[in-house]
Amino acid sequence: KAGVTQTPRYLIKTRGQQVTLSCSPISGHRSVSWYQQTPGQGLQFLFEYFSETQRNKGNFPGRFSGRQFSNSRSEMNVSTLELGDSALYLCASSGGGNVYEQYFGPGTRLTVT
Amino acid sequence: GQQLNQSPQSMFIQEGEDVSMNCTSSSIFNTWLWYKQDPGEGPVLLIALYKAGELTSNGRLTAQFGITRKDSFLNISASIPSDVGIYFCAGQPYGGATNKLIFGTGTLLAVQP
Repeated sequence: KAGVTQTPRYLIKTRGQQVTLSCSPISGHRSVSWYQQTPGQGLQFLFEYFSETQRNKGNFPGRFSGRQFSNSRSEMNVSTLELGDSALYLCASSGGGNVYEQYFGPGTRLTVT
Repeated sequence: GQQLNQSPQSMFIQEGEDVSMNCTSSSIFNTWLWYKQDPGEGPVLLIALYKAGELTSNGRLTAQFGITRKDSFLNISASIPSDVGIYFCAGQPYGGATNKLIFGTGTLLAVQP
């Protein structure tokens, strides 16, 4: 099976812009979770989508949003970018026999200037 | 955001040595997962643990789910240079939302050939 894929891998944006990141889960996985990783805060949970519905949400401002499509692919959007949004954004998918085991993609490195 | 206490923060060892790291929490966890992350990549799942006291191996790696359900340990035997990376524990808190993982702060492992 192909692993989790994320596009783009690298992105440079300017403060105030918005950005959309994409994630394709492992085939058959219906849950997609998004995480932000920074040197200072580590890995922080953003939100999780299951069957096109947001099932869980972390403690991030409303500028961070996401959605999931019927084929389980997911996108996350960050509006009005701030310098502090510079991070590695990771998505993880789970499903199949062990729903708690999350498999991560390579991440999207977002730099806000 | 919430993080698990992981120690040590970093380890610098000689090839062939054994390694131990652990993760602790003040609250009970249902599931413990151990991941390895290489620079610029997403975390890779190494071992998943589901029961208190459970001991699971994956090659040279062995992990245990602490009997109190508040900690977990990862041991690497006979380390090799490709073991270099950052190791993260992650857990699902008891009573917490499914797939909302809490991550440890990471252990940086460096192996001298």
